[in-house]
Amino acid sequence: GDSVTQMEGPVTLSEEAFLTINCTYTATGYPSLFWYVQYPGEGLQLLLKATKADDKGSNKGFEATYRKETTSFHLEKGSVQVSDSAVYFCALRSNNDMRFGAGTRLTVKP
Amino acid sequence: NAGVTQTPKFQVLKTGQSMTLQCAQDMNHEYMSWYRQDPGMGLRLIHYSVGAGITDQGEVPNGYNVSRSTTEDFPLRLLSAAPSQTSVYFCASSYAQGAFGEQYFGPGTRLTVT
Repeated sequence: GDSVTQMEGPVTLSEEAFLTINCTYTATGYPSLFWYVQYPGEGLQLLLKATKADDKGSNKGFEATYRKETTSFHLEKGSVQVSDSAVYFCALRSNNDMRFGAGTRLTVKP
Repeated sequence: NAGVTQTPKFQVLKTGQSMTLQCAQDMNHEYMSWYRQDPGMGLRLIHYSVGAGITDQGEVPNGYNVSRSTTEDFPLRLLSAAPSQTSVYFCASSYAQGAFGEQYFGPGTRLTVT
């Protein structure tokens, strides 16, 4: 079945550092790809999405490009802030099924 | 709009008890779903619904029942709680079926089964 694999955390960075969280997927169809963020004690919020190959999703300085040739959707941000500390989930949706990665906890220190 | 609401926020059950987790949305979304979140495993889909009267199983449906009598509500029933069902449960809704729909999540219900 479809699946998502993302880099294990936790990831600890200093403020203004560059962030990459790797995500690869396995799917039989043509899924849409998502990054969700979860702040402590809250539900998941959509961060960005891409619905077809070569699409780039972006939001709040984060971006990710749907790479069909490498089945990847890596999350990047050029300069992280303390407020970016959260758990990040890569996900794919194919028809009505949705699969999530295990999540990567990011801590940004001042 | 309240978005997606879930009750209760916390619940403790004894093994063998039954209970219903409530979920409601006020966005007129056709698609609703239930997930469980366990440490190191991300979210796993339990059941979903593409409209009133229509439900289907997700990745981990055993031990759970759902029904969808209205567009707004999608309750999740635990028939006979087991310690393996200790988890955080999230309800979500989406305006679209299929691959394109962004999902909106509720705040979660933390369930402990002793």
